[in-house]
Amino acid sequence: QLQLQESGPGLVKPSETLSLTCTVSGVSISTSSHYWGWIRQPPGKGLEWIGSIYFSGSTYYNPSLKSRVTISVDTSKNQFSLKLSSVTAADTAVYYCARHVWFGRQFDPWGQGTLVTVSS
Amino acid sequence: QSALTQPASVSGSPGQSITISCTGTSSDVGNYNYVSWYQQHPGKAPKLMIYDVSNRPSGVSNRFSGSKSGNTASLTISGLQAEDEADYYCNSYTSSMTQVFGTGTKVTVL
Repeated sequence: QLQLQESGPGLVKPSETLSLTCTVSGVSISTSSHYWGWIRQPPGKGLEWIGSIYFSGSTYYNPSLKSRVTISVDTSKNQFSLKLSSVTAADTAVYYCARHVWFGRQFDPWGQGTLVTVSS
Repeated sequence: QSALTQPASVSGSPGQSITISCTGTSSDVGNYNYVSWYQQHPGKAPKLMIYDVSNRPSGVSNRFSGSKSGNTASLTISGLQAEDEADYYCNSYTSSMTQVFGTGTKVTVL
């Protein structure tokens, strides 16, 4: 059964870099022929797609975040990661990772999400 | 990129049918059959309910159905139940090779 789990610091200081990892279990990232994505949700607000990556390293990013976002994959650990630089309070959100069945298509399943607060 | 437009709230009585709209443009919803819908209960992760406009994943009730006309996609919930009370979001592929979510709709069961 495919499962995803986000991990990383719950508190990040303004201007620093937010780093999260998504550990995938139940399927191998390198052989699954799927993309893997990050989505976030500020408290009380809607969902925002951040970006997606293929096991080969091919990436797609939300243009509004592209200058600050890096998504990478580590097939040896069956993980993919998110780095968001120069964070501000506006980046405070629950961050979800999800299998992106194929780029352009649906996200399923999702991890449980992790709240990251940007505050000094 | 602009979020797809959804009504902020929709309500209905148990047993009724409701429809949630998701309006985009010819650069997203109108040009691709890659619209998906997600249900989110408070404090929980979103759950896929519909993909590729009208396909239902295994395990999702057949009370949920999707359709599309022009630049607007729709999610219909028939036989509304208390457990359907949640937030619902649509998502579409775009011609800029990105994904965009809708603004979200809160469904209330009266």
